[in-house]
Amino acid sequence: AQKVTQAQTEISVVEKEDVTLDCVYETRDTTYYLFWYKQPPSGELVFLIRRNSFDEQNEISGRYSWNFQKSTSSFNFTITASQVVDSAVYFCALSEAEYGNKLVFGAGTILRVKS
Amino acid sequence: NAGVTQTPKFQVLKTGQSMTLQCAQDMNHEYMSWYRQDPGMGLRLIHYSVGAGITDQGEVPNGYNVSRSTTEDFPLRLLSAAPSQTSVYFCASSGWTSGGFDEQFFGPGTRLTVL
Repeated sequence: AQKVTQAQTEISVVEKEDVTLDCVYETRDTTYYLFWYKQPPSGELVFLIRRNSFDEQNEISGRYSWNFQKSTSSFNFTITASQVVDSAVYFCALSEAEYGNKLVFGAGTILRVKS
Repeated sequence: NAGVTQTPKFQVLKTGQSMTLQCAQDMNHEYMSWYRQDPGMGLRLIHYSVGAGITDQGEVPNGYNVSRSTTEDFPLRLLSAAPSQTSVYFCASSGWTSGGFDEQFFGPGTRLTVL
């Protein structure tokens, strides 16, 4: 069975600090997808990134970066120079390759960025 | 494009009542899913569909039915509402690209309270 663990329930930082959100996953599949979604206080789910299991390149998008390591089954998310607008719940999710619409979500990490 | 739309946005039911949560997408996506979000538990998959006429159960299907008569619509039926079904419900759709499954696009959610 697939499982996603986000061990950090809640993180509080001061604006401009860097913060890393951890994600550890379990799967028996050799091919799978990993995702990060953001849920701001307004409640909608905002897609941030999708990663195929065979693509271990790290990715940077502005202040966001992702570190994918198959050896440790981790897909961590770093926000550089955090801003108040980054305050949200962040979800890591996993799907098997055959059914990419069957997402298994972690419990989420609440990020609070204080000014 | 409207993307993924859900109606209603809010609903209050009494125990034992039935209702249908509507979900529609205009992106011609084959893959659609229903999730429920409960505090501290992330999102959990209720039912999913890989095309018109094809549905299957997710992690928490009990008490819910789905059908997929068209590509666009994927309604979720609560047969006999129970307080344990108080939750926020999200519908999602996704397509397929040359890189594999695309991201799931989520609707705005339906907040359901069962008294």
